[in-house]
Amino acid sequence: GAVVSQHPSWVICKSGTSVKIECRSLDFQATTMFWYRQFPKQSLMLMATSNEGSKATYEQGVEKDKFLINHASLTLSTLTVTSAHPEDSSFYICSARDLGLAVISSYNEQFFGPGTRLTVL
Amino acid sequence: TQLLEQSPQFLSIQEGENLTVYCNSSSVFSSLQWYRQEPGEGPVLLVTVVTGGEVKKLKRLTFQFGDARKDSSLHITAAQPGDTGLYLCAGAGGDTGFQKLVFGTGTRLLVSP
Repeated sequence: GAVVSQHPSWVICKSGTSVKIECRSLDFQATTMFWYRQFPKQSLMLMATSNEGSKATYEQGVEKDKFLINHASLTLSTLTVTSAHPEDSSFYICSARDLGLAVISSYNEQFFGPGTRLTVL
Repeated sequence: TQLLEQSPQFLSIQEGENLTVYCNSSSVFSSLQWYRQEPGEGPVLLVTVVTGGEVKKLKRLTFQFGDARKDSSLHITAAQPGDTGLYLCAGAGGDTGFQKLVFGTGTRLLVSP
């Protein structure tokens, strides 16, 4: 249980194009999903919190118009990197909180996807 | 800004050795989690600790939450090559609120046969 998938697992694109990354909770419902960015040999940096049916909450320093987040259903959130540039190349990871667990637990356990490696040429 | 500092940053040891990874903060967290991440993959949850002074064991891994809930440690006994990876602590609650996780700086472990 508690499986989160991401698609694609890797993508290479030209500078100036937009790239969409999907994050799905496969066997549970997630009212909240999180998007992280990870540079090589570094820790995870939270980019934004995605809530189903409402606007995402972005962390300080993260451009809302650059990283578009949509959370249209309880099992799907998407991150679109618009007009990508080489500096956007990174490993993007999503996570999701199980709605059922969130009700009974205060532990804030998140289940992580396998990540998407974006390379912008 | 809450920070979780991990030490050491990098550890290279031989199979069979013991090691301890530390996760320290000046902030109090309601819970703290430990993850292991392998290259090209997402983090995998190892344990969650919520009570000050709590100790949890997972086979050869022992996790402890500090009495003041500001720090934690991970001890691995008789390390094996399969333990190789990036170990991350992450705190929830405190100043950032309940939903967010604040990740530590990470400890990269390499266990050689």
